[in-house]
Amino acid sequence: SQELEQSPQSLIVQEGKNLTINCTSSKTLYGLYWYKQKYGEGLIFLMMLQKGGEEKSHEKITAKLDEKKQQSSLHITASQPSHAGIYLCGAHATLISGNTPLVFGKGTRLSVIA
Amino acid sequence: DVKVTQSSRYLVKRTGEKVFLECVQDMDHENMFWYRQDPGLGLRLIYFSYDVKMKEKGDIPEGYSVSREKKERFSLILESASTNQTSMYLCASSSETDRATNYGYTFGSGTRLTVV
Repeated sequence: SQELEQSPQSLIVQEGKNLTINCTSSKTLYGLYWYKQKYGEGLIFLMMLQKGGEEKSHEKITAKLDEKKQQSSLHITASQPSHAGIYLCGAHATLISGNTPLVFGKGTRLSVIA
Repeated sequence: DVKVTQSSRYLVKRTGEKVFLECVQDMDHENMFWYRQDPGLGLRLIYFSYDVKMKEKGDIPEGYSVSREKKERFSLILESASTNQTSMYLCASSSETDRATNYGYTFGSGTRLTVV
């Protein structure tokens, strides 16, 4: 079965600093989703990357997909307290069936301190 | 605003009780999912459903069952609650159209269940 490994597990950064979170798949990636979860709440969709080399941005958050490395990175520029939370990556196990459930990484817990 | 609504944010139940967690979506989605989330273990899939009256086991179905009598509602049932089922339960929904437009899953706010 597909496994997604996220690094780091947790991160504490000073407000205004940049940071990167990585998500590495054990198998070929057929699309990669990034979600954010505020503590104790549900997951909020951030963006989805489908093609190798694809890069998307949402406000100060940029994500890239490296198909060859079976990896995606999420980069936050000039972090703010509002960026704090848990970031999770998710992927479908296969390309063909859209009903294949998403598997998720264990998440990266981000804290932003003043 | 489209929604996935989970009936309770917090629940406390006793060991051995039968527990129902309800999830309703208003997006006419075909697919619905139940995950549980635990520290250090991430999200693990319990059950999912492609359509009304259909269900599929996920990675950790033991001790759980589900019901999908209507398209918009997907219920998770703990037949006899145990302390190791204390967890955050997350419901999600999706459709093939969503995948094509890259929207992914829509999640509910979660139900934090404590079994004492």
